[in-house]
Amino acid sequence: AQSVTQLGSHVSVSEGALVLLRCNYSSSVPPYLFWYVQYPNQGLQLLLKYTTGATLVKGINGFEAEFKKSETSFHLTKPSAHMSDAAEYFCAVSDERDGGFKTIFGAGTRLFVKA
Amino acid sequence: DAGVTQSPTHLIKTRGQQVTLRCSPKSGHDTVSWYQQALGQGPQFIFQYYEEEERQRGNFPDRFSGHQFPNYSSELNVNALLLGDSALYLCASSAQHINRVAFGSGTRLTVV
Repeated sequence: AQSVTQLGSHVSVSEGALVLLRCNYSSSVPPYLFWYVQYPNQGLQLLLKYTTGATLVKGINGFEAEFKKSETSFHLTKPSAHMSDAAEYFCAVSDERDGGFKTIFGAGTRLFVKA
Repeated sequence: DAGVTQSPTHLIKTRGQQVTLRCSPKSGHDTVSWYQQALGQGPQFIFQYYEEEERQRGNFPDRFSGHQFPNYSSELNVNALLLGDSALYLCASSAQHINRVAFGSGTRLTVV
């Protein structure tokens, strides 16, 4: 069965500092991996995704993530935090089985950005 | 090009009542998935519809049921509402591949 673990329910950084949000996954088949961002009272917005190919994935708003199969990790980073990055971030794993798929989400990490 | 639209945006129901939530997928998408997001938690997969049939289901009781129409829109029905059903319900549509998934803004259901 698939699962996702996000380390740290809350992360606080200063504006301009490095953002690192950790995600580890479990999957019995080659996974598809995603990071989503959710602002208050809104739906989910896709930041980036890994399906196949290059393991370093670049997304929107300066975020990137690296798929490390040996570590079963897909950590999200951004070199310099901006106040507008404050939000809830979800790591997710998915696969295609029997013509369908379901996405399993982690519990989320709330990012706080201090001025 | 409209994205995924959900209605209503908010609603309040009483325990024991039934509710229907609606979702129109993004243009060109034919698969609809529903998720429940309780406060402070990540979304939990409820089920997925394709070609008007339930294709995958998560660990939700039979009180949760759905339907997909020929135009690919979908409904989520919840019977015998419990307080614990209070959550944000998210609809996601895709075009037969998880590469292209779009989420709606959700319906916030409050059960009192």
